[in-house]
Amino acid sequence: GDSVTQMEGPVTLSEEAFLTINCTYTATGYPSLFWYVQYPGEGLQLLLKATKADDKGSNKGFEATYRKETTSFHLEKGSVQVSDSAVYFCALSDRQGAQKLVFGQGTRLTINP
Amino acid sequence: GAGVSQSPSNKVTEKGKDVELRCDPISGHTALYWYRQSLGQGLEFLIYFQGNSAPDKSGLPSDRFSAERTGGSVSTLTIQRTQQEDSAVYLCASSLSGGAVSTDTQYFGPGTRLTVL
Repeated sequence: GDSVTQMEGPVTLSEEAFLTINCTYTATGYPSLFWYVQYPGEGLQLLLKATKADDKGSNKGFEATYRKETTSFHLEKGSVQVSDSAVYFCALSDRQGAQKLVFGQGTRLTINP
Repeated sequence: GAGVSQSPSNKVTEKGKDVELRCDPISGHTALYWYRQSLGQGLEFLIYFQGNSAPDKSGLPSDRFSAERTGGSVSTLTIQRTQQEDSAVYLCASSLSGGAVSTDTQYFGPGTRLTVL
């Protein structure tokens, strides 16, 4: 079945550092890809998404490009802030049927001032 | 506008008891999903409702789990004879059209934290 693999956490960076969180997927079809974020004490929020190959999703300074050839959707940000500390989940949804989300295991990010 | 709401926010129960968890989706959203977030299994899909269609129950882990959606709006997830491994955060999400539109965003509620003693 479909699956998503994220880089192991936790990740700790200093403010203004460059961030990459790796995400690769396995899917039989042509899924849509998502990054969700869970801030401390809050629910899951959509951060960005891409629905077809070579699409780039972006939001709040974060970017991720849908790479079909490498089945990847790596999350990047050029300069992180303390407020970016959260758990980040990569996910896919099949375009068929229910389009339920299949999530990676999550990566906890901590940014130190 | 109002987002997805869930109740209760926390539930502690004893092993063997039944529990009901409630989800109020965003008004006008026809698709509703239940997921479970646990330490051992991460985030897992449980069940999906779309309009008046038969639900997709493919993610329910056992027959102790069931869910219904009344009037195309509020949904209740019921766990019978709870076990300690059922302890998790149960998340509800809704989207405008679900399977009808491939790019729909799912909006999540705050979750219900279930602890089975």
